[in-house]
Amino acid sequence: AQSVTQLDSHVSVSEGTPVLLRCNYSSSYSPSLFWYVQHPNKGLQLLLKYTSAATLVKGINGFEAEFKKSETSFHLTKPSAHMSDAAEYFCVVSDMNTGNQFYFGTGTSLTVIP
Amino acid sequence: EAQVTQNPRYLITVTGKKLTVTCSQNMNHEYMSWYRQDPGLGLRQIYYSMNVEVTDKGDVPEGYKVSRKEKRNFPLILESPSPNQTSLYFCASRIGQMNTEAFFGQGTRLTVV
Repeated sequence: AQSVTQLDSHVSVSEGTPVLLRCNYSSSYSPSLFWYVQHPNKGLQLLLKYTSAATLVKGINGFEAEFKKSETSFHLTKPSAHMSDAAEYFCVVSDMNTGNQFYFGTGTSLTVIP
Repeated sequence: EAQVTQNPRYLITVTGKKLTVTCSQNMNHEYMSWYRQDPGLGLRQIYYSMNVEVTDKGDVPEGYKVSRKEKRNFPLILESPSPNQTSLYFCASRIGQMNTEAFFGQGTRLTVV
């Protein structure tokens, strides 16, 4: 079965400091992995995706994530947090066995302290 | 502009009164789906459709219906809403399967009293 675990439900960082949002997945096959961001009262926007090419994936707004198969992880990072990064972040997995379905993590709420 | 459009954005209704939430996409995507978002649970898939006249249940289909008569439209129907269906609903579309990202609508916040 496929599943996604976001290890922190809430993360607080100071503006200008690094961001780390952790995601572990389970998948029977080679997975596709995504990070989405949801700002308050908005829909979900794709930050980045991994689809079996380069393991280090760069996304929008300075975010990146590294696929580590040995650790079954896909953590999201950003070198320097900005106030506009405050939002809810979702890690998502799909694979050949569930090619028609996305499986979402429960989300991580990021607070950026001025 | 490429987009997924849901209506209404907000809806308050009473238990048992049938309602429909519409979803339309202008990207000619084959695959569309509905999710509900609840605090602490992330997004859970209700129904999905791989193409016109092809629909299937997701993880939480009870109490919902869908139809896919046209490629661009994928309405969500609650025949007899109950308070436990109070939630934030998202429609999404994708070009195809596995490696493609989903595009999401703005969401519909439904309250059933």
